[in-house]
Amino acid sequence: DTGVSQDPRHKITKRGQNVTFRCDPISEHNRLYWYRQTLGQGPEFLTYFQNEAQLEKSRLLSDRFSAERPKGSFSTLEIQRTEQGDSAMYLCASSLYATSSADTQYFGPGTRLTVL
Amino acid sequence: DAKTTQPNSMESNEEEPVHLPCNHSTISGTDYIHWYRQLPSQGPEYVIHGLTSNVNNRMASLAIAEDRKSSTLILHRATLRDAAVYYCILRPYSGAGSYQLTFGKGTKLSVIP
Repeated sequence: DTGVSQDPRHKITKRGQNVTFRCDPISEHNRLYWYRQTLGQGPEFLTYFQNEAQLEKSRLLSDRFSAERPKGSFSTLEIQRTEQGDSAMYLCASSLYATSSADTQYFGPGTRLTVL
Repeated sequence: DAKTTQPNSMESNEEEPVHLPCNHSTISGTDYIHWYRQLPSQGPEYVIHGLTSNVNNRMASLAIAEDRKSSTLILHRATLRDAAVYYCILRPYSGAGSYQLTFGKGTKLSVIP
């Protein structure tokens, strides 16, 4: 399968614990995005990378959230001191950006986080 | 970001065409119209996009009004697999910054066998 993959698919944790999610983009895609989706809502943008550089962060990305994309390949999203409000689906997407392109994003299946 | 308005839900009979409307009266000249859909328990999936002219691909057709203030996603023959939430999204031309997708609540399409 050559699509975007995310690991784990499901994570249950207790409030206050740290969690880390991984995203493997489509090979050679230079952009990688993280979104969060709560029940009944559309996905909300969190942050994105172009290669290894994190170029934009949403106000939703509090200090407890950190994302990395070392070497411009896979990415990790860490949430420290989880809160019940962090319970959501975390989606990763990748794209092959070029000027004058539509920059179509390809999404992974998501990681569903439940904070007890 | 320019805003889109979509009906909350629509129903269609299987094997009949479906027309999913989207209003975007504040669209700017550099905004592309993108459609994504999200099947149950999956991440969103790209469907189609356009700027001014109508567009066709293997999944759907996109009809764009002449003034670009509205568009319609057309599924020519709905199948049960087309049951999903469909999102209409305006996105600036990629050279103009603001690269994320801004999703609304979309239209939940139900397909009746």
